[in-house]
Amino acid sequence: GESVGLHLPTLSVQEGDNSIINCAYSNSASDYFIWYKQESGKGPQFIIDIRSNMDKRQGQRVTVLLNKTVKHLSLQIAATQPGDSAVYFCAEIAGNTPLVFGKGTRLSVIA
Amino acid sequence: DGGITQSPKYLFRKEGQNVTLSCEQNLNHDAMYWYRQDPGQGLRLIYYSQIVNDFQKGDIAEGYSVSREKKESFPLTVTSAQKNPTAFYLCASSMGPTWLEQYFGPGTRLTVT
Repeated sequence: GESVGLHLPTLSVQEGDNSIINCAYSNSASDYFIWYKQESGKGPQFIIDIRSNMDKRQGQRVTVLLNKTVKHLSLQIAATQPGDSAVYFCAEIAGNTPLVFGKGTRLSVIA
Repeated sequence: DGGITQSPKYLFRKEGQNVTLSCEQNLNHDAMYWYRQDPGQGLRLIYYSQIVNDFQKGDIAEGYSVSREKKESFPLTVTSAQKNPTAFYLCASSMGPTWLEQYFGPGTRLTVT
């Protein structure tokens, strides 16, 4: 079946550098994408979302880019901080169907 | 504070016993969800309820049961029929009967030996 996946399971970044977390999706009918952050032992926390009719959306220190041509989604975190260390999930929705989650990327920030 | 709570945080049970995980929200959300998370995996949907007294099976409902008698509460029972019950269980809620803007609880880690 179609699913959401990630290019890299782990990512280590120097404090202060920018982080880029990638996500590939295969369901061309997906019309909404969400990024979640999950700290160890906690539930996922909403970071930012983007609709399929957009290419880019910016939040506070985060930017999500959507490339529908290659079915690719990325989350960029500017000036990465130790508090950004977590697992990041992308999720997709097609119509009114359940969220489909990727497996996650673990971001480690090196002080 | 408004939020979604799960209790207990850690739960241990012997194989063959049923166990019920609690999920409560005071956000006045209509919809509630249960997910299971295994190490290194994404979240998988167990059950969801978009309105009181109604619920639907998700992708991995076998061995689980739920009830939705009150808007605020959506308990999950892990039955002895669930072959691999040890996991991290997450409850979520959202305002309307939509999959968007789900707020997650802190999770319950269940260990069955």
